[in-house]
Amino acid sequence: SQQGEEDPQALSIQEGENATMNCSYKTSINNLQWYRQNSGRGLVHLILIRSNEREKHSGRLRVTLDTSKKSSSLLITASRAADTASYFCATDANFGNEKLTFGTGTRLTIIP
Amino acid sequence: DSGVTQTPKHLITATGQRVTLRCSPRSGDLSVYWYQQSLDQGLQFLIQYYNGEERAKGNILERFSAQQFPDLHSELNLSSLELGDSALYFCASSVAVISDYGYTFGSGTRLTVV
Repeated sequence: SQQGEEDPQALSIQEGENATMNCSYKTSINNLQWYRQNSGRGLVHLILIRSNEREKHSGRLRVTLDTSKKSSSLLITASRAADTASYFCATDANFGNEKLTFGTGTRLTIIP
Repeated sequence: DSGVTQTPKHLITATGQRVTLRCSPRSGDLSVYWYQQSLDQGLQFLIQYYNGEERAKGNILERFSAQQFPDLHSELNLSSLELGDSALYFCASSVAVISDYGYTFGSGTRLTVV
């Protein structure tokens, strides 16, 4: 079963706008990670946020984490055509679970 | 190039056959993970190895098996293939046994069973 569920499933925005996608998960975590996948390619690690962190930035990416609500959001600012991809959240689980479980993904399309 | 090498990139085979997918992890990484990605099931964890030993097992069918060799490369063996096994198979690697450092993914093997 999926640990994370992204919302929305698909998102289309104009180039230059901001894109926000959300992830909800079910169990306690050590960290939450976001990955990008261009069509049919391998996933690329974007950012990791630990359970004791609330917000993290990397370039045009901003990630927030609310452990009380078991949710996270990924904000991409000033979107570019090259940001068109699927975005996945991934979580581990507390107490020794070492594998990442991936959500269902948000398909982001940037319209030039 | 992510540093994780998967071969072959594409594989077309008939039902009932057996195939072997190969993965070389990024230099220095000791953990290898196998994932299956299909349209209807999303990205499913299959199995994890760390420094040659199996660490975690996910939704891996009994027809599937894997191993990690002393040089740390890994192979995923799929046997008695069915149409439903058609999917993208990804290998990922990580420096540690825990997930705190993120995964580096290969470009995948696209398996088509006909």
